[in-house]
Amino acid sequence: QVQLAESGGGVVQPGRSLRLSCEGSGFTLSSHAMHWVRQAPGKGLEWVAVISNDGTDNYNSEVVKGRFTISRDTSKNMVHLQMDSLRAEDTAVYYCARDHGYFDCFDVWGQGTMVTVFS
Amino acid sequence: QSVLTQPPSVSGAPGQRVTISCAGSSSNIGAGYDVHWYQQLPGTSPKLLIYGNSNRPSGVPDRFSGSKSGTAASLAITGLLGEDEADYYCQSYDSSLSGVFGGGTKLTVL
Repeated sequence: QVQLAESGGGVVQPGRSLRLSCEGSGFTLSSHAMHWVRQAPGKGLEWVAVISNDGTDNYNSEVVKGRFTISRDTSKNMVHLQMDSLRAEDTAVYYCARDHGYFDCFDVWGQGTMVTVFS
Repeated sequence: QSVLTQPPSVSGAPGQRVTISCAGSSSNIGAGYDVHWYQQLPGTSPKLLIYGNSNRPSGVPDRFSGSKSGTAASLAITGLLGEDEADYYCQSYDSSLSGVFGGGTKLTVL
């Protein structure tokens, strides 16, 4: 069964860092580009970042550029999101999502991990 | 403010047909990027509903259909069921290589 599982969320003070992880099962993560998408409480979906299947290319949204870094560990079938200089407005559920591969959509989603930036 | 514009809410009685619009611009939908739709039931992760403007993943009923024209797209749901009550999001890409979403539409089945 194809699944994604996020971990690493929690409560952190503004300005601090947090590292999220996403583990894939039932498929080879390195065969797909992978994304992070977030959803603030009561709000809509917001695309955050993407990394290519081989890890050589990655893009961030303007809102997180320079603060968040997406990476992948092929040997462990995992993708990470390093979040630095966190702000209150980064508070959200963070979803890991698999790129379809042919169409630029997200065909598998994890259950999400909550990040709360609170002083 | 989302890049793609959706109505905040729509409603319909069981058995009726509803449509949800998604308006973009020349830098995303109008640039030729496909539109995709997601359904998010309360308390759950989003689920891919329509991809490539009008294609349904395996398991999605044919009551759901999508279309795209110019800088806009729409999702149609026919034969409304109570289980269709959810939030619906459109998604495309932008010429800056960023994924973009609509603000979401809450569907209420009366």
